[in-house]
Amino acid sequence: DVKVTQSSRYLVKRTGEKVFLECVQDMDHENMFWYRQDPGLGLRLIYFSYDVKMKEKGDIPEGYSVSREKKERFSLILESASTNQTSMYLCASSLLSGRNTEAFFGQGTRLTVV
Amino acid sequence: AQKITQTQPGMFVQEKEAVTLDCTYDTSDPSYGLFWYKQPSSGEMIFLIYQGSYDQQNATEGRYSLNFQKARKSANLVISASQLGDSAMYFCAMRENKGSTLGRLYFGRGTQLTVWP
Repeated sequence: DVKVTQSSRYLVKRTGEKVFLECVQDMDHENMFWYRQDPGLGLRLIYFSYDVKMKEKGDIPEGYSVSREKKERFSLILESASTNQTSMYLCASSLLSGRNTEAFFGQGTRLTVV
Repeated sequence: AQKITQTQPGMFVQEKEAVTLDCTYDTSDPSYGLFWYKQPSSGEMIFLIYQGSYDQQNATEGRYSLNFQKARKSANLVISASQLGDSAMYFCAMRENKGSTLGRLYFGRGTQLTVWP
């Protein structure tokens, strides 16, 4: 079974803290994604990566950075957490090409910034 | 411009009836894939069905079928014989297969489906 694992299910952080969200996949997928999900707004792409050390900005990259040092791991970094970054964060992975390119998702991290 | 548009924030259907969830997309790429996901209240994202832009037939997976109308750029999800467990948020997504956005997945805002007895 494909597994995408996010390091935390729930996180509470203080304003101004540096926050790390970790994601690991075990299917040797090239693509990895970080999305943010807010009610009424669907899933919005923060960053994605198609290879080690490669990253592409999504629709809402401001206030975030990412790191992909190994193929299986994709980290999302909130440089200085703010209350408007309180949200559900979803990590996903997929093959880069071919027919079976559906994304597999982690369980999500609900982040609260106080 | 929105790449994926889901115009129905909420839909209601009685158990055992069929329901159609709408999705339109916008792309100039001739090669793309369309996906539907289900997100129950537990929060997990469950892949339901895939349609490739060159597929001649509409995709089907059990009670799920995708009504693919390429000229109209629509990819509606049809759920037949609704069950109470189908109550969830449903997301339509698209993946372009060429160009600088290769591999990127675009999602719609979702449709909350409620199945009542």
